[in-house]
Amino acid sequence: SQKIEQNSEALNIQEGKTATLTCNYTNYSPAYLQWYRQDPGRGPVFLLLIRENEKEKRKERLKVTFDTTLKQSLFHITASQPADSATYLCALDIALGSSNTGKLIFGQGTTLQVKP
Amino acid sequence: DTGVSQDPRHKITKRGQNVTFRCDPISEHNRLYWYRQTLGQGPEFLTYFQNEAQLEKSRLLSDRFSAERPKGSFSTLEIQRTEQGDSAMYLCASGRAGGRGTDTQYFGPGTRLTVL
Repeated sequence: SQKIEQNSEALNIQEGKTATLTCNYTNYSPAYLQWYRQDPGRGPVFLLLIRENEKEKRKERLKVTFDTTLKQSLFHITASQPADSATYLCALDIALGSSNTGKLIFGQGTTLQVKP
Repeated sequence: DTGVSQDPRHKITKRGQNVTFRCDPISEHNRLYWYRQTLGQGPEFLTYFQNEAQLEKSRLLSDRFSAERPKGSFSTLEIQRTEQGDSAMYLCASGRAGGRGTDTQYFGPGTRLTVL
């Protein structure tokens, strides 16, 4: 069966450290993978997108890696801050020929808590 | 604020009643998506539109659910004869159709439905 798995347990880290979140998937051939942030009671907010032929993408303190052989993406937040505390969701879009449906398949999310 | 609005933000209804939610996407976006999210889970795809055409419906979308996007702008999601299992956050997202990896989705704040 097709699955996307993120660490269900909350991740607690100290301010200033690097947070690393994991997203594993099985039986998918994604065109690309996205990471979203979600705060309680609000909709997800797009952070980063990485394509199947890319290994790494960076944006400010964020870094995403994508290993299609391991079927895994890692999401890193360096120099973490209490304001980074939220739930982080990974999502796959399944390729459809040369285009994409845009239909996203989400993991269940990992809650990050950064302590001052 | 992503530019996607949803109304109402909260809805409490009794089992068996009909409810309708509205989504106003970003005006230049031709794709509109509906997702459902329950506590501790990631959003689950329900359906999506490209302009006014409904291109795909999830098996999660029973006959009691119907969605429309009559003029390719705003969309409505109606649930008839609500059941307690329909209680969830209903999220709308909009995006732009394009080549692979271009469809970043912008989510609204969601409508929280509680069925008593």
